[in-house]
Amino acid sequence: ETGVTQSPTHLIKTRGQQVTLRCSSQSGHNTVSWYQQALGQGPQFIFQYYREEENGRGNFPPRFSGLQFPNYSSELNVNALELDDSALYLCASSFSRGGARDEQFFGPGTRLTVL
Amino acid sequence: DAKTTQPPSMDCAEGRAANLPCNHSTISGNEYVYWYRQIHSQGPQYIIHGLKNNETNEMASLIITEDRKSSTLILPHATLRDTAVYYCIVRVAFSMLRGGSQGNLIFGKGTKLSVKP
Repeated sequence: ETGVTQSPTHLIKTRGQQVTLRCSSQSGHNTVSWYQQALGQGPQFIFQYYREEENGRGNFPPRFSGLQFPNYSSELNVNALELDDSALYLCASSFSRGGARDEQFFGPGTRLTVL
Repeated sequence: DAKTTQPPSMDCAEGRAANLPCNHSTISGNEYVYWYRQIHSQGPQYIIHGLKNNETNEMASLIITEDRKSSTLILPHATLRDTAVYYCIVRVAFSMLRGGSQGNLIFGKGTKLSVKP
């Protein structure tokens, strides 16, 4: 069973641009969550997709959007990039079946730098 | 906001047990205690979780007090590779009902554990 993978590893963009980050979940997982981790902070929940629909969102503006595909992959899109969007973006997948016994498995992250 | 309180840093000698405390005095009856760790520049790694009873796996042991207001993660024989930031998280169960809890993880700043030779 392959783990969670993310691409690209690193990315540099300028303010105002748009970016798409990609995540490939573990096989069989039906849930993917995205987190933003600023330097020196813990990861912050952005949103979650369950069976290809957005299932909840943290305190992030609408310019953060996402998709989940039937083949277990997912995308995080960020429009109108701001300097504060510079962070490590983490994807986590799990098989959700109710309850809290479903561990979330994280990918290595994408380091986004906005200049 | 995170519902847990952890010391910002701890040191441990290699080969000794590392005991990482966590306070979660406002935990609700349906919330689990989860532990993750994050080695520098990597994604968080799941360690262990529990509801009421003490738990043990190949990585660590989790001791939860009877009133569930605090817990301790124990790494029985710490190695240099255990140097990482350890996060204690109180997590609501995922709900399969649309609009229910996502069971998302709410991270605090964690404890930076330094294992020294």
